[in-house]
Amino acid sequence: KNQVEQSPQSLIILEGKNCTLQCNYTVSPFSNLRWYKQDTGRGPVSLTIMTFSENTKSNGRYTATLDADTKQSSLHITASQLSDSASYICVVSEDTGGFKTIFGAGTRLFVKA
Amino acid sequence: KAGVTQTPRYLIKTRGQQVTLSCSPISGHRSVSWYQQTPGQGLQFLFEYFSETQRNKGNFPGRFSGRQFSNSRSEMNVSTLELGDSALYLCASSPRQGDYEQYFGPGTRLTVT
Repeated sequence: KNQVEQSPQSLIILEGKNCTLQCNYTVSPFSNLRWYKQDTGRGPVSLTIMTFSENTKSNGRYTATLDADTKQSSLHITASQLSDSASYICVVSEDTGGFKTIFGAGTRLFVKA
Repeated sequence: KAGVTQTPRYLIKTRGQQVTLSCSPISGHRSVSWYQQTPGQGLQFLFEYFSETQRNKGNFPGRFSGRQFSNSRSEMNVSTLELGDSALYLCASSPRQGDYEQYFGPGTRLTVT
């Protein structure tokens, strides 16, 4: 069964610190992996999209990595800000010629002053 | 360019009633996907519409249905509401069918009492 698992479930860090969120998946055949940021009460906003051939993608202070061999991805947040407090969702799509997407449960990040 | 809009933003219904949610995609986008988000299950795919036709469907009962109009606007209907249908319903638009670059709306918070 195709799955996407994220860890940790929640995380508390101090403002200015770095953190790394993990995403492991069993989706096959793999098409792409996306990281979304979702603020409370709002829709998810795309941070990065990576295909099989990409192993790093940055978006400002957000850097995503992908290891397609081990089926692992990470999202690294540098110099965290209070506004980074949100849920971060890992999404993996299958390459079946159709459109099938599996969402992770998300990591809830709290950044404290 | 205006983003994805969803109406209403909040809704309270009683068990057994039916509800219709509306989604207006980004101008020029022809694909609209619907998702249900609950704290316990995370984001789950309901269905995707493209050119007024349902192209993909998730594992939800027939009480959940949708349609898309010629202007790409989409509606989702849930009949015979159950308490478990309480959730945030998100709509996402894309330029093409199965396009992985999705843009989410703010969602409709449905509470069933």
